[in-house]
This record gives sequence, C-alpha cells and structure tokens, in this order.
Amino acid sequence: DAGVIQSPRHEVTEMGQEVTLRCKPISGHNSLFWYRQTMMRGLELLIYFNNNVPIDDSGMPEDRFSAKMPNASFSTLKIQPSEPRDSAVYFCASSLAGGFQETQYFGPGTRLLVL
Amino acid sequence: AQSVSQHNHHVILSEAASLELGCNYSYGGTVNLFWYVQYPGQHLQLLLKYFSGDPLVKGIKGFEAEFIKSKFSFNLRKPSVQWSDTAEYFCAVNPNTGKLIFGQGTTLQVKP
Repeated sequence: DAGVIQSPRHEVTEMGQEVTLRCKPISGHNSLFWYRQTMMRGLELLIYFNNNVPIDDSGMPEDRFSAKMPNASFSTLKIQPSEPRDSAVYFCASSLAGGFQETQYFGPGTRLLVL
Repeated sequence: AQSVSQHNHHVILSEAASLELGCNYSYGGTVNLFWYVQYPGQHLQLLLKYFSGDPLVKGIKGFEAEFIKSKFSFNLRKPSVQWSDTAEYFCAVNPNTGKLIFGQGTTLQVKP
C-alpha cells in the first residue's frame, strides 16, 4: 500500500498568492483529516471528512482556508490569499471509518513557507 | 476546553537509559488514547493505543504506556532506549468525538 500521499512536499510562495495542497488517502479509507503543525500551536486539526462530507471544520482558522473532497480518493486544502503566519507543515491523515478508536495514518506532510 | 499536556518538551538520554514521557489530558468522560512518533524526516506513525481493558499497553519497538484513570495520565515508557529512538513523540486523545487532540510533543534525543 502506498500510504497517504501528499503533494507538493514543499511549497514556497509569496504573501497574497493562492496555495493548494493535495492529499490522496489510503484506498478504502472513508475518513480524511487535515492537520497543521507549528512550533507555537503544535499539531491541530483543521477539518475532517467522512465519506467525502465535511464533518467538523471548527479548526479552520479563517475564511481564507477552504477544503474540499470531491471524491473518495482526493482532497484539497486551499489558502487564498496566503499570509506569512500560514507557514507551517500541513498533514493529511486517513482512517477506515473515522471511529474514535481507529488509527489515523498520516502522510509525509507539505512544508509551506509564505514569504 | 479539552487539552493534552506533555510536560517534557525536550529530553536527552544516553543509550540504555530508561525513558518515561508524561502525558495528561483534561476530559472526564470516556477517552481513547494514542502515542504517535515522528522520526526525523518521516511522517507520524502509531506507537500504541488504549481503549479499554488492561491499562498497561504494549506497542511497537519495546514501548509501553500505562493508563491511570484517576490521574488522567497515559505515560509512555521504554526500559532501555536506543539511538534509533531519537524522534518526536506525541500523545493524543480522542474523547469519542472523532477528533484527535494532540499534545505539544516531546523531542527525544538519544546520545550514542
């Protein structure tokens, strides 16, 4: 199994530009999670989907952030416009059905730097 | 608000030393507890997890954790660390909401 796939692995952009992060969950997994990791705030959940439907987006910092899951094998996290404080590592994770006891499998992350 | 506290932010040990990393959570109901590890340059992966039953849980690579309900704690232990255990360790709690709440992480550096 290829695991969770994220692209790009690194992204450097200028303030004001649109950034799109991509994630392919493990085949057969029905739940997908987006996390952000920063030195100040640690790992925090931004949003998660069950069966392509957003279940909880309370962690999305503001309207500049949006996430979609058009099908079971693809999700995007978009930041528009980007700001320097968005610089972080963004992780995508997936699990079988989003159950409370399930293991979440993480991707390698996208390291975003906004100048 | 629900939170997870990891008291040790940076731990430095010599090989063969024993390890204990603290984790406390603030949630009174049923919780599901996890320890994840992130080796340098790699993604997070599960070390072990606890849902119910024996409060002493054994995971991969010789790690174990003990759930003490009265102390709201889930400390990670290893009797003898190796250089290859150098990594960042995250405690996480899922309070039956589907959301994993992570601690701030503990960086472990093992000196050869």
